[in-house]
Amino acid sequence: AQSVTQPDIHITVSEGASLELRCNYSYGATPYLFWYVQSPGQGLQLLLKYFSGDTLVQGIKGFEAEFKRSQSSFNLRKPSVHWSDAAEYFCALNSGYALNFGKGTSLLVTP
Amino acid sequence: NAGVTQTPKFQVLKTGQSMTLQCAQDMNHEYMSWYRQDPGMGLRLIHYSVGAGITDQGEVPNGYNVSRSTTEDFPLRLLSAAPSQTSVYFCASSPMGQPQHFGDGTRLSIL
Repeated sequence: AQSVTQPDIHITVSEGASLELRCNYSYGATPYLFWYVQSPGQGLQLLLKYFSGDTLVQGIKGFEAEFKRSQSSFNLRKPSVHWSDAAEYFCALNSGYALNFGKGTSLLVTP
Repeated sequence: NAGVTQTPKFQVLKTGQSMTLQCAQDMNHEYMSWYRQDPGMGLRLIHYSVGAGITDQGEVPNGYNVSRSTTEDFPLRLLSAAPSQTSVYFCASSPMGQPQHFGDGTRLSIL
């Protein structure tokens, strides 16, 4: 069965600190994976995607993610968090016709 | 450059009423999907379409109908609204195998 798990419901980091959001997936074939961000009251914006090839993918707003097949993970990272990064982050798996989402991680950034 | 347009943005219904959430895209995408977002649940797939005339059920289809008579439009119908359908609804579209583009959502409250 296909599934996406985001183990952390909430994460709090200080502005300027590094960030890592965890995502684990279950899928029988090579996955297409995505990270989306949602600001309060807004729609979803694509941060980055992994289809194949280089396992370290760069996205917008200084985010990157690393695909690790052996760990079934696709963790999102940012070296230095800004207050404007506070939002809800969703990891998603392409199931062929639509997306299978994790339940999201809410990021709080403190001064 | 409209992308995915959802109307209305907000709606309040009474239990038992029916209504249609509209979704239109101007990118000639084959795939379109409807999701609902509830706190702590992430986004769950309601229905999807892989082309005009072709629709199928997602994870939570009960109480909803869809049709796809044109490439551009993918309306979601609530036949008899129930309080459990209070949610934020997102429509998305994509070319086959590519990341989905999301609308801004419809906030629906059912009393």
